[in-house]
Amino acid sequence: DTEVTQTPKHLVMGMTNKKSLKCEQHMGHRAMYWYKQKAKKPPELMFVYSYEKLSINESVPSRFSPECPNSSLLNLHLHALQPEDSALYLCASSQEPAGTYEQYFGPGTRLTVT
Amino acid sequence: ELKVEQNPLFLSMQEGKNYTIYCNYSTTSDRLYWYRQDPGKSLESLFVLLSNGAVKQEGRLMASLDTKARLSTLHITAAVHDLSATYFCAAVSSGTYKYIFGTGTRLKVLA
Repeated sequence: DTEVTQTPKHLVMGMTNKKSLKCEQHMGHRAMYWYKQKAKKPPELMFVYSYEKLSINESVPSRFSPECPNSSLLNLHLHALQPEDSALYLCASSQEPAGTYEQYFGPGTRLTVT
Repeated sequence: ELKVEQNPLFLSMQEGKNYTIYCNYSTTSDRLYWYRQDPGKSLESLFVLLSNGAVKQEGRLMASLDTKARLSTLHITAAVHDLSATYFCAAVSSGTYKYIFGTGTRLKVLA
């Protein structure tokens, strides 16, 4: 099974809402990633988890809060977002937290902030 | 800081023609990756290039890597409409977990 799943596929939320994005993989991968992608732009790295510990935070605003409850699951908690946060949020995983390993991407969550 | 640039940014080509997309990166990278993205979809892995001189081919696409020149190419042979998509290369700063994506090349193959 080389699949990364993400839920929900689409999310519309107001600026005062709290919501969460979920990502799951069952490949035994020890690194998981969150990316943000705006239309017609490349994915931008947000967070990296290595062996369930946060290893990279690319200066992401605190209204985005990642969580890795176990080695298969990655969440992104959202609170008080701004309209400019509307984007495609992609989760990825790799066997180990090193650049020598291929990343597998989930289908993404299309987020719209109203 | 690792920077990755692609050119062209946009490519419109006729079916049956050949063309090359270029990916330049600024510092040493452990690997070079190529991805395809269809509109509104996620990224699909195409090639993983592991070392200098690596060449990989799948169908009408062929990717190569020259680590000395810090250059990777994605060559399209006899393009067909189904290849229309955005293509990204990605490099990784040595010793980090940061995958840095290129600017992307939007390819449109005209029938």
